Amino acid sequence: GAGVSQSPSNKVTEKGKDVELRCDPISGHTALYWYRQSLGQGLEFLIYFQGNSAPDKSGLPSDRFSAERTGGSVSTLTIQRTQQEDSAVYLCASSLDQGQPQHFGDGTRLSIL
Amino acid sequence: ILNVEQSPQSLHVQEGDSTNFTCSFPSSNFYALHWYRWETAKSPEALFVMTLNGDEKKKGRISATLNTKEGYSYLYIKGSQPEDSATYLCAFNTGTASKLTFGTGTRLQVTL
Repeated sequence: GAGVSQSPSNKVTEKGKDVELRCDPISGHTALYWYRQSLGQGLEFLIYFQGNSAPDKSGLPSDRFSAERTGGSVSTLTIQRTQQEDSAVYLCASSLDQGQPQHFGDGTRLSIL
Repeated sequence: ILNVEQSPQSLHVQEGDSTNFTCSFPSSNFYALHWYRWETAKSPEALFVMTLNGDEKKKGRISATLNTKEGYSYLYIKGSQPEDSATYLCAFNTGTASKLTFGTGTRLQVTL
């Protein structure tokens, strides 16, 4: 498809386990963003990749969170030693360039038991 | 800390009513203001990106205005329809940061 693809769509795991979320952006989009929405909260910025520049990690809530973007395309968000407060919908978005409209994936709903 | 505020938090209107929402943002170092529509069980969809003071954009029955000097944007929906029911998000970024800071949204429900 032509849109942003995220996998898995749902993930249930036990507290303390590591999880990896995947985002496949729209081809040609240089900017890629990760957000999360916790229950009752707004969209919270996590991390931003732009081309070959160093990512903006200012939104990552703790050092258990990391993300990478390989070859300027697919990105993975990794959460180590998951905690219950990590339960949220994790959304990925991409855009042609910074400041352009962002195209969102359908998200990964993460539930930590 | 950048703070984007949206009002009202929620709104319930009848089909055919016109409505508007407000987004307030810091006016210093402004770069762009985005509006998104987020329907239940779907992903957010971009409506508008506005950059210039006085900008007005229109998409069908939906339009938006921007005042960067006083730090606000209005989103208008003319003749609301049930399919307009969604959460409308505004987001702001500055010239020094590429990330978007989102408001908590206005949840619109349109009934027959």
